[in-house]
Amino acid sequence: QVQLVESGGGVVQPGRSLKLSCVASGFNFSTYAMHWVRQVPGTGLEWVALISYDGKYKYYADSVKGRFTFSRDDLKNTVYLQMNSLRTEDTAVYYCARSGAMATIFIDYWGQGTLVTVSS
Amino acid sequence: SYVLTQPPSVSVAPGKTARITCGGDNIESKSVHWYQQRPGQAPVLVMYYDSDRPSGIPERFSGSNSGNTATLTISRVEAGDEADYYCQVWDSSNKRLIFGGGTKLTVL
Repeated sequence: QVQLVESGGGVVQPGRSLKLSCVASGFNFSTYAMHWVRQVPGTGLEWVALISYDGKYKYYADSVKGRFTFSRDDLKNTVYLQMNSLRTEDTAVYYCARSGAMATIFIDYWGQGTLVTVSS
Repeated sequence: SYVLTQPPSVSVAPGKTARITCGGDNIESKSVHWYQQRPGQAPVLVMYYDSDRPSGIPERFSGSNSGNTATLTISRVEAGDEADYYCQVWDSSNKRLIFGGGTKLTVL
C-alpha cells in the first residue's frame, strides 16, 4: 500500500534552516508528482509546493517562494523540502503528499505529517 | 488569485443529509476535489473530479459542480463523518493548488 513517511521536523530559530524528508513506498515513485502541504494546528490546509514526476517543474506558494526548495531523489524514493530563512509564520505540520496521476492536479495520498516550530 | 469559499461549519443530525458547499468564480469550469480530515489525522481524499469516489469511500458520499458552486453531499450521516472537509482546485493560470478554508461538519 502507498506509504509516505515524513521526517526532519523540530524546533528551529527564526532565520535558520531546516530540511524535511519524505520516504515513499508502495508505488512507482518516479512516475508521480509530489506535493508539500502545511497546516497550522487548528487552521486550514495551505499548499506549499509541487514537483513534477521528473523534477523538471517546481511550483511554489508565494509565501515560500525564494526561501524553500523542493527536490527529489528517485533512487531513494525520497523528496526533500529545504527551508531557509524560516519565519515564525512557517510554524506548521508539514505533510508530504502524492499527486493523483490524472489530467488535473489533486492529492490522492498523504503522509502523517511532521511538525516544524519556528521560535526563538 | 483564485479563491474558494466554504461555510465554516455545517451541523446535521444522524441519518440526515449534509451538504457542504464550495464557492468559486465559474467553478464549474474547474475540477473540484474534496478531502476529509478527522481530528488529529492527515487528510483523506473523498471525492475527485467533482463526483468520483476513490475506492473505500462509501456511496453515501457524492459530489456535484455547477455554476459558481461545488457541493459535497453526505447522505445518511454517521457520527464517524464528523470531520473538517476541504475543497480544492488547481489554478492552472498561476500554477497553484488552492484549498478552501474548510468546513467543520458536526453530527448532532
